Amino acid sequence: GAGVSQSPSNKVTEKGKDVELRCDPISGHTALYWYRQSLGQGLEFLIYFQGNSAPDKSGLPSDRFSAERTGGSVSTLTIQRTQQEDSAVYLCASSWGLGTETQYFGPGTRLLVL
Amino acid sequence: SQQGEEDPQALSIQEGENATMNCSYKTSINNLQWYRQNSGRGLVHLILIRSNEREKHSGRLRVTLDTSKKSSSLLITASRAADTASYFCATDGGGSNYKLTFGKGTLLTVNP
Repeated sequence: GAGVSQSPSNKVTEKGKDVELRCDPISGHTALYWYRQSLGQGLEFLIYFQGNSAPDKSGLPSDRFSAERTGGSVSTLTIQRTQQEDSAVYLCASSWGLGTETQYFGPGTRLLVL
Repeated sequence: SQQGEEDPQALSIQEGENATMNCSYKTSINNLQWYRQNSGRGLVHLILIRSNEREKHSGRLRVTLDTSKKSSSLLITASRAADTASYFCATDGGGSNYKLTFGKGTLLTVNP
């Protein structure tokens, strides 16, 4: 079946603008995760959802970052007032549930803040 | 700090040779996963090994896990040029901590 999809593939924005990144998980997967990958920091966890709730927001780097998930499916990661240090590849993953489950990753959104 | 740390950071071998990459981690885990990434995008899941397992095979891949040493190894046998990629290990935090923590990865280059 279809894998995790993310949109847009690439996003170029100006410093100070808001951006929204979208993730469509694999159908039936109840858990959804956001990570980002940058040259300086490697791969780092941002937030995960079980259903529509986010029990662990500890990875969000600042209050400019927020995420929501509706209907137990699509998730949106919003970055307000973007900064140059937000430039990175934002990766979404999903799994059947939490626990010892494989996380399947989408292709990512490459964000460049000018 | 990085939970999983891979070594070596880079590995260059000839086609047909075996490649071994190692990963160490710091806390208890539920499972450890290995991923491959080409060209900085698209993490591809390779194999998951649970904390009560010691060895797992999948095709040309063999993964071992030593929870007493908090370490894992990934062996790719009979390597091919198409295996050229970055390889990452990822661990959860054990218990109900399900977020994955990744190491910095090993860049494997397989020369034809």
